[in-house]
Amino acid sequence: QSVLTQPPSVSGAPGQRVTISCTGAGSNLGAGYDVSWFQQLPGAAPKLLIYDNISRPSGVPDRFSGSKSGTSASLVITGLQAEDEAFYFCQSYDSDLSGWDVVFGGGTRLTVL
Amino acid sequence: VQLVQSGPEVRQPGASVTISCRTSGYKFANYAIFWVRQAPTHRLEWMGWISAAEGDTKYSDQFQGRVNITRDTSAATVYMDVTNLTSEDTAVYYCARDGPRLEGDSGHDFDHWGQGTLVIVSS
Repeated sequence: QSVLTQPPSVSGAPGQRVTISCTGAGSNLGAGYDVSWFQQLPGAAPKLLIYDNISRPSGVPDRFSGSKSGTSASLVITGLQAEDEAFYFCQSYDSDLSGWDVVFGGGTRLTVL
Repeated sequence: VQLVQSGPEVRQPGASVTISCRTSGYKFANYAIFWVRQAPTHRLEWMGWISAAEGDTKYSDQFQGRVNITRDTSAATVYMDVTNLTSEDTAVYYCARDGPRLEGDSGHDFDHWGQGTLVIVSS
């Protein structure tokens, strides 16, 4: 079971907006750790989409946006395109006795109808 | 920036495997490396981390004692050994770059990934 909780799947028609949630706890998102989001296309490695909750690396379209509040974070994709069909993962850090752990969400499969 | 991993491996239960991650295109010592694996269910699991400069390591509790991460600074390469393999270790293993340790260097946590190494554990 993953430390961060994501819906297993979401879907939307081309042009629509979809939101993927990522729910954590007081020891990770609630402790102030930032969230990153990754897109994984079939057969490829994950690709960084959002870092520091809201920032996009160069080359990532502004159709992708992130937010965080308390123990939850969200990835919003607007103007959905067929090429957005992929798995999406959230990632953060969690406090433990030795300092920190990397934690991931279980992943959300986005289907473009 | 490139992270190039070693090729697929097949092992029997109880065996060990070593995966390499050769880096290029940046100053090796300025960035740590994470190891992450992805089960056939697509779930991602963090396994460990190594500081390329000092060689300090940190491991997920789940893999502590069974995983050993080392680096060769002259070859700009990081290695991960996984011992006592079981069928549940069948997965794709990824290395990924950490964010910069020095102010002024560019990048972010997990901004560059290797292509993945498939490890199959089967008798």
